[in-house]
Amino acid sequence: DIQMTQSPSSLSASVGDRVTITCRASQGISNYLAWFQQKPGKAPKSLIYAASSLQSGVPSKFSGSGFGTDFTLTISSLQPEDFATYYCQQYNSYPLTFGGGTKVEIK
Amino acid sequence: EVQLVQSGAEVKKPGESLKISCKGSGYSFTRYWIGWVRQMPGKGLEWMGIIYPGDSDTRYSPSFQGQVTISADKSISTAYLQWSSLKASDTAMYYCAKTEAYGSGSYYPDYWGQGTLVTVSS
Repeated sequence: DIQMTQSPSSLSASVGDRVTITCRASQGISNYLAWFQQKPGKAPKSLIYAASSLQSGVPSKFSGSGFGTDFTLTISSLQPEDFATYYCQQYNSYPLTFGGGTKVEIK
Repeated sequence: EVQLVQSGAEVKKPGESLKISCKGSGYSFTRYWIGWVRQMPGKGLEWMGIIYPGDSDTRYSPSFQGQVTISADKSISTAYLQWSSLKASDTAMYYCAKTEAYGSGSYYPDYWGQGTLVTVSS
């Protein structure tokens, strides 16, 4: 199985900050990488697919980059509604695997 | 509008059977794979398996192979996740997710159901 490692596991940030989350795959996955946002008590929401393509309706403050084994999710200016847990997932090969999550908290 | 509506919360005893559902609407149900994801209390997301409702082709994550059964009834646009004998460790939130094709034979989740909470306790 491909292991997905996210860092950090949690971070504290202020409204307006630029935030970057990293996801590393244990082997190359091309750009077969998705990002999800999950708020407490809610279902995950799809943000990004193919490492850098925004899902329909997702604001442009979210951006993704990377190829191969190293990927990043960036939130350009953190807003109150962005405080949540973020997960990456590889879909290059079965079984699909998620990273452990990064909890973004208010400083 | 794409919607995935899951069945309601369940409370069961160890050893009981259970089947939960996920009804898709707003898209061609038979043309897109649907996956199931487990989230244990306070933990992260785990991919369980995926089914193609068009022909019921199913793939399981090794961790869940033999532990659950994924099925679909395309006549009513509904996918299912079932257990024959529940354990306390099956207590979790379960999500279904419609997937979108990308590349050759790859699929990523794009729409999610609201989740079904399964509690197994004696």
